[in-house]
Amino acid sequence: DGGITQSPKYLFRKEGQNVTLSCEQNLNHDAMYWYRQDPGQGLRLIYYSQIVNDFQKGDIAEGYSVSREKKESFPLTVTSAQKNPTAFYLCASSPRERGNTIYFGEGSWLTVV
Amino acid sequence: RKEVEQDPGPFNVPEGATVAFNCTYSNSASQSFFWYRQDCRKEPKLLMSVYSSGNEDGRFTAQLNRASQYISLLIRDSKLSDSATYLCVVSSAGANNLFFGTGTRLTVIP
Repeated sequence: DGGITQSPKYLFRKEGQNVTLSCEQNLNHDAMYWYRQDPGQGLRLIYYSQIVNDFQKGDIAEGYSVSREKKESFPLTVTSAQKNPTAFYLCASSPRERGNTIYFGEGSWLTVV
Repeated sequence: RKEVEQDPGPFNVPEGATVAFNCTYSNSASQSFFWYRQDCRKEPKLLMSVYSSGNEDGRFTAQLNRASQYISLLIRDSKLSDSATYLCVVSSAGANNLFFGTGTRLTVIP
């Protein structure tokens, strides 16, 4: 099936630990994104990448890092520097052309314990 | 001013009712418009794109008013399964120019 796969779906992290969320897409989309959603709130952009080996900070990049070594993959690392990491994380992708639809993975729930 | 604003609701409507949501956007250069549906604890899924001429998909009608800078979503004959949060998404040029509303929550009551 074509789509965007995020893993793990649920993750518990101890304070001070780094964790990496995986995102893989087989839609041949150029652009990939990471968003964060807190309860009752809208989506906020963490990082995005329009092409392999290039990525840009979004609105709330502090405490996060990404890589884009392959077109299909855009992993997100939540570092210990992120002060309040408990949230729902959504990976998305879209074709590079302007105005094309964005598609989301099923999301990853991260809880700091 | 936020890029995209929606009434958060909640909208509680009886089954069979017609309900409409509006979403306003601030950037007059915005080019693409979408409505997404998000169920509780799930990812947003595309409901429909919004075209300048307006478009309809079954019970759902989307319209764009560029002069007043808003888009609307009309749901006719509401079903229980329509209960969800509806997100307005507006984009302009560039991959980082997607703006999401905070969503309007709809509950359809038996």
